[in-house]
Amino acid sequence: AQTVTQSQPEMSVQEAETVTLSCTYDTSENNYYLFWYKQPPSRQMILVIRQEAYKQQNATENRFSVNFQKAAKSFSLKISDSQLGDTAMYFCAFTESGYALNFGKGTSLLVTP
Amino acid sequence: DSGVTQTPKHLITATGQRVTLRCSPRSGDLSVYWYQQSLDQGLQFLIQYYNGEERAKGNILERFSAQQFPDLHSELNLSSLELGDSALYFCASSVGSGDTEAFFGQGTRLTVV
Repeated sequence: AQTVTQSQPEMSVQEAETVTLSCTYDTSENNYYLFWYKQPPSRQMILVIRQEAYKQQNATENRFSVNFQKAAKSFSLKISDSQLGDTAMYFCAFTESGYALNFGKGTSLLVTP
Repeated sequence: DSGVTQTPKHLITATGQRVTLRCSPRSGDLSVYWYQQSLDQGLQFLIQYYNGEERAKGNILERFSAQQFPDLHSELNLSSLELGDSALYFCASSVGSGDTEAFFGQGTRLTVV
């Protein structure tokens, strides 16, 4: 069974600082896809970044980047220059088939002034 | 705005009742996914439809059913409701069946009293 583990239920970071959210997953497949979703208080699920397992290069989207370690089955999210609007729940998600997403339990991130 | 529309936004109903949640996917998207988000279970995949046909099933209870209509909108029917069914129900859509990027609606908050 696919599992996604986010070991940090809550994190806090000051504005303009950098924070890293951890995620590990378990799969026996070689080809799969990993995602980070953001859920602000509005409840909307917003795709932050996506990584294909066959791509060795780490994905980057503006201030958001990932550290993808395939052998370790690790997929961490780094947020640089944190902004107050980054305050949200962050979910790591995984799919082998491109069908349903398997989500972790989430990390609640608070950005403070 | 993701382009995925869910109605209603909030729903309060009594135990034993039946409700229908509606989802309109983004224009051009053929796949619709339903997810349940609850405090104890986290985000769980329920079911996927592709162009009117059921494509994948997750942790969907027998009391729950879904369908996708010819105009591609989808409905999730929840019957014999229990207190534990209180949750946020998300619909997501994607262009194809195995696409790796799905866009989420704002969810329907169901409260069973």
